[in-house]
Amino acid sequence: QQQLQESGPGLVKPSETLSLTCSVSGGSIKSTSYYWGWIRQPPGKGLEWIGSIHYRGSTHYNPSLKSRVAMSVDSSKNQFSLKLTSVTAADTAIYYCVRQYGDYWFDPWGRGTLVAVSS
Amino acid sequence: QSVLTQPPSVSAAPGQKVTISCSGTSSNIGNSYVSWYQQLPGTAPKLLVYDNNKRPSGIPDRFSGSKSGTSATLAITGLQTGDEAVYYCGTWDSNLNAYWVFGGGTKVTVL
Repeated sequence: QQQLQESGPGLVKPSETLSLTCSVSGGSIKSTSYYWGWIRQPPGKGLEWIGSIHYRGSTHYNPSLKSRVAMSVDSSKNQFSLKLTSVTAADTAIYYCVRQYGDYWFDPWGRGTLVAVSS
Repeated sequence: QSVLTQPPSVSAAPGQKVTISCSGTSSNIGNSYVSWYQQLPGTAPKLLVYDNNKRPSGIPDRFSGSKSGTSATLAITGLQTGDEAVYYCGTWDSNLNAYWVFGGGTKVTVL
């Protein structure tokens, strides 16, 4: 049973870059069947898909965030990462990393990490 | 404003049945599989139904999904207090810029 765990700063200043890493355990990130993604949830609100990456490097990003998002994979560490540039208060959210099966579903989810954008 | 439309809330007494609708368009629900997620208070969402009507291992058959045209439905029978949660539908949208979309979420309250 694979498990995912997010890590990174809980506070980021406006205009700076949010950086998070997801560590995958219980199986290799080098699976041809899966993408590895990020989903966020502003406090008290719904879910927003940020994007996903295959271990071979192909990516899909939410068009509304595409200009500010970059994802990468470190297969040697069984990790993948998210960078979101030029953050504002609207980027304050719980960020979840997920395993994404094709275009079809997300499972499992990490426990989530709250990132606040504030000076 | 979510791409997929869900009712904000539904409620029923223990043992009863609730249904949650998820309405979309031909570029999303009408053209792809739907999955459903359960988010219990203070926890991460969990996959409940995938490929419109399949349940992952460990999900009781009280939860069932269906899809017709551009709408999907999640049904919960034999409602239990532990089912109080927010439920989200989601699917892939292939309109111009392909990306994943979610409904706004439905809060299920057990009376």
